[in-house]
Amino acid sequence: GNSVTQMEGPVTLSEEAFLTINCTYTATGYPSLFWYVQYPGEGLQLLLKATKADDKGSNKGFEATYRKETTSFHLEKGSVQVSDSAVYFCALSDRSNYQLIWGAGTKLIIKP
Amino acid sequence: DTEVTQTPKHLVMGMTNKKSLKCEQHMGHRAMYWYKQKAKKPPELMFVYSYEKLSINESVPSRFSPECPNSSLLNLHLHALQPEDSALYLCASSQGTGAVPNYGYTFGSGTRLTVV
Repeated sequence: GNSVTQMEGPVTLSEEAFLTINCTYTATGYPSLFWYVQYPGEGLQLLLKATKADDKGSNKGFEATYRKETTSFHLEKGSVQVSDSAVYFCALSDRSNYQLIWGAGTKLIIKP
Repeated sequence: DTEVTQTPKHLVMGMTNKKSLKCEQHMGHRAMYWYKQKAKKPPELMFVYSYEKLSINESVPSRFSPECPNSSLLNLHLHALQPEDSALYLCASSQGTGAVPNYGYTFGSGTRLTVV
C-alpha cells in the first residue's frame, strides 16, 4: 500500500542554519504531496504542496520539489529561525482509499 | 474568512458525561473531517462528511457520534468515553469533495480532550 517515510527526529539546528527534512513515499498512480506544520499546542497548518512531478511548492521560505524519479519530497529552508521550531509532517493523498497518508512527523528544534 | 474554528479549546470530562465538540468553517468547503491525534503522532482519520453526508467512518467506536447540521458546521458528540480517548481532536475542511484532498486541508486548532 501507499506510505510515507520521514527522517526521525528531533532535528536540532542553530538559528540561520540550512534545513533539510527528508521525505520519501511509496504510491501507485500520481498522488499529491504535502508538508504540514504543527506548532506547539496548535493544530496543523498546510505549509506547501505539489500536485504533479517536478512541481515545487514554496511558502514562508520553505521549499519542496516533487521528485518522481526518487519518490521524494524533501523539505528545505535556507536559514531557519527559532520560530520555525515545530513538528513537520509529510503527507500524500491516496486516491485509492480517499485518505491522506501521513508520515510519522519530524520535530524541529532551533536554538538561538 | 479562511479559518476553521473549533470549540471548546480544552475539555475535561468524566466517563459518564455527554459532551459535544463543535467545528465551523465559512470557506464554502463541502468536505469536512474529524481527526484524532495522540501526542507525538500523526493525525488519524475518524469521519468524513461530503456535502453534509457521512461518507467515511473509519471504524470509530459508537461512543463517538458525528453530526453535520449544515454545510458550515460539524459536531462530534461524545458519550461514555474512556481515558484512552484523551487526545487532540482536529476538525478540517477541504475544497475537494469526498476525501481526496488534492488541495490540502484547512485544520482547526483542535480541542484537547481529557477523559478522567
